[in-house]
Amino acid sequence: EIVMTQSPATLSVSPGERATLSCRASQSVSSKLAWYQQKPGQAPRLLIYGASTRATGIPARFSGSGSGTEFTLTISSLQSEDFAVYYCQQFNDWPPLFGPGTKVDIK
Amino acid sequence: EVQLVQSGAALRKPGESLKISCKGSGYTFNSYWIGWVRQMPGKGLEWMAIIYPGDSDSRYSPSVQGQVTISADKSISTAYLQWRSLKASDSAMYYCVQFAFGELFPPYWGQGTLVTVSS
Repeated sequence: EIVMTQSPATLSVSPGERATLSCRASQSVSSKLAWYQQKPGQAPRLLIYGASTRATGIPARFSGSGSGTEFTLTISSLQSEDFAVYYCQQFNDWPPLFGPGTKVDIK
Repeated sequence: EVQLVQSGAALRKPGESLKISCKGSGYTFNSYWIGWVRQMPGKGLEWMAIIYPGDSDSRYSPSVQGQVTISADKSISTAYLQWRSLKASDSAMYYCVQFAFGELFPPYWGQGTLVTVSS
């Protein structure tokens, strides 16, 4: 199975600043990588799929990049509603495992 | 609008059985893979199993193979996850998800079903 890792585990950012989250796959997943946001008490929400395509209704401040084994989620200017846990997920193979998550909290 | 509506919270004792449900609407239920994701308290997201309602083809995560059963009833657009003998370690939030067409990522999530197993 393809194992996903994410770094850092926690990212402390001030509102308005840029946040850069990393995700790595244990082997190539091509561009079959998705990102999700989860807030406390809520189900995860799809942000990005295909490494860089924003899902419906996702603001332009969220962007994804990368291919193969290295991926990045960038939030260009953090808003108060963006403080949450972010998960990456590869969907190149079964099981389409998630990474362990990066918590973005207020600095 | 795609909706996945899950059954309510469940409290069971160790060794008891349980079947939770997820009713899909707003799309052609038979044509999309549907699955279950577990989230233990304070932890990350783990796959349990997925099923294609059209032909009942199913896949299980190696970590839960043999411990749960996934099924679907096309006639009522509902998927299920079943345990024959629950353990305390099965206590978690379980999310029902619908996959994108032909891909293994889920744009749509249910509201979650909290399962608590305690004596």
